[in-house]
Amino acid sequence: SQTIHQWPATLVQPVGSPLSLECTVEGTSNPNLYWYRQAAGRGLQLLFYSVGIGQISSEVPQNLSASRPQDRQFILSSKKLLLSDSGFYLCARLGQGASGMNTEAFFGQGTRLTVV
Amino acid sequence: AQSVSQHNHHVILSEAASLELGCNYSYGGTVNLFWYVQYPGQHLQLLLKYFSGDPLVKGIKGFEAEFIKSKFSFNLRKPSVQWSDTAEYFCAVKRSSYKLIFGSGTRLLVRP
Repeated sequence: SQTIHQWPATLVQPVGSPLSLECTVEGTSNPNLYWYRQAAGRGLQLLFYSVGIGQISSEVPQNLSASRPQDRQFILSSKKLLLSDSGFYLCARLGQGASGMNTEAFFGQGTRLTVV
Repeated sequence: AQSVSQHNHHVILSEAASLELGCNYSYGGTVNLFWYVQYPGQHLQLLLKYFSGDPLVKGIKGFEAEFIKSKFSFNLRKPSVQWSDTAEYFCAVKRSSYKLIFGSGTRLLVRP
């Protein structure tokens, strides 16, 4: 199966502290990976996406960064958290059908981040 | 700017009423289209998807959507809603660049 592991599930961090959220996938190679932030009334905001190791596309200039050090690992980071970084963060990957073509997105369980 | 628009932010219907949720996107070229649903307290799940072929797509739980290329639209429909359809619905568009954009969502409340 093509599984996404995302942790931690919940996190409370003080303002100004660093952040590292990790997402790993199993059962597929060279997946397209995404970080989203979900906020009430704003849907899923695309933050970063990656089509391969070291390849990061940033969609929203903000206090966050992403890295892809390994094929199946996608990390969301911040050097100094802001109150406005609070939210629900989702990692996603595109599925791969039997023919190798990309299918729909599959999501991790998400991380609820509260910055205090 | 590239975007996906869901014009109805909140919809309230009675059971057995018909549903249509709008979704428009602003890209040209080839796109893949999706509708996801998020039930209260649960995670996103796929309702239906369009990649090519018949522009009328049937999904799970009696939902369907029609891709109208000339209107850049992919509206979601259900002829008769149930109380259990109360949820938030998200339209999403994927371009050939693998960029996958979601709309802001529509919250549907179905009254019994």
